[in-house]
Amino acid sequence: KNQVEQSPQSLIILEGKNCTLQCNYTVSPFSNLRWYKQDTGRGPVSLTIMTFSENTKSNGRYTATLDADTKQSSLHITASQLSDSASYICVVSFHSGAGSYQLTFGKGTKLSVIP
Amino acid sequence: EAGVAQSPRYKIIEKRQSVAFWCNPISGHATLYWYQQILGQGPKLLIQFQNNGVVDDSQLPKDRFSAERLKGVDSTLKIQPAKLEDSAVYLCASSLRGREYEQYFGPGTRLTVT
Repeated sequence: KNQVEQSPQSLIILEGKNCTLQCNYTVSPFSNLRWYKQDTGRGPVSLTIMTFSENTKSNGRYTATLDADTKQSSLHITASQLSDSASYICVVSFHSGAGSYQLTFGKGTKLSVIP
Repeated sequence: EAGVAQSPRYKIIEKRQSVAFWCNPISGHATLYWYQQILGQGPKLLIQFQNNGVVDDSQLPKDRFSAERLKGVDSTLKIQPAKLEDSAVYLCASSLRGREYEQYFGPGTRLTVT
C-alpha cells in the first residue's frame, strides 16, 4: 500500500532558528516528491519538487533532500521567520500508467514559529 | 496568471441540509480535482475530472456526494444530505493533462456542519 509518513506531527521553534521536517514513503513506482506549504485557511502551495535522480533542491530558505534508496526526504528551513508558521505537506507521485500520475499525501507537519 | 478560484470560502450548515461548492480552474487546465481535508490530515482525493469526464471517483461517497464538470471548465461539488463528519476543508485543484504531479490548489472552502 502506498503511504507517506511525516514527522514530527507538530513543531514549535523560536524565530531565527533552523528546523528539519521528515518524510518517509513507500510509494512505488516512484515518480517525484513535492513539498507543499499550507498556510492556515489557504490551499497548499508548492515549495520544491524532486525526481528520482535529484538529491537536493533549494527554494530560498527552504532546502529539500531526497534519498531514493532509503525512501526518505527532508525539508530544512533556515533562519525561520514568523511567516513560516504553516503546515508542510509531503506529496509523492507515481506513474499509474496511460500517461497519468497519482498522488499520495502525507498528513503534514504543523510548524509554529514564535518570537 | 489567475489561480484556481473557489467559492464560497466558508459555509456553516446544519446536518441533513445540502450544500454546493464551486470551482474555476486555471485556464487551459484539462484536469480538475476535488479533495477533502479534515483538520490535521492531508488532502484526500474525492474525484478527478479530465475535461468533463470522470477519471477517478473511487473515494467519493456517492450516496451523498456528487460532482459535475459539464462544460469541461467550472465544476461544482454537492453534498446532500450533510453529516457532521463532512466538516472539513474542500480543496479544488487543477493541472495540465499528463502533469498530475503538478497541481495548483485553490484556497478551499471550509465547511462546518452543526
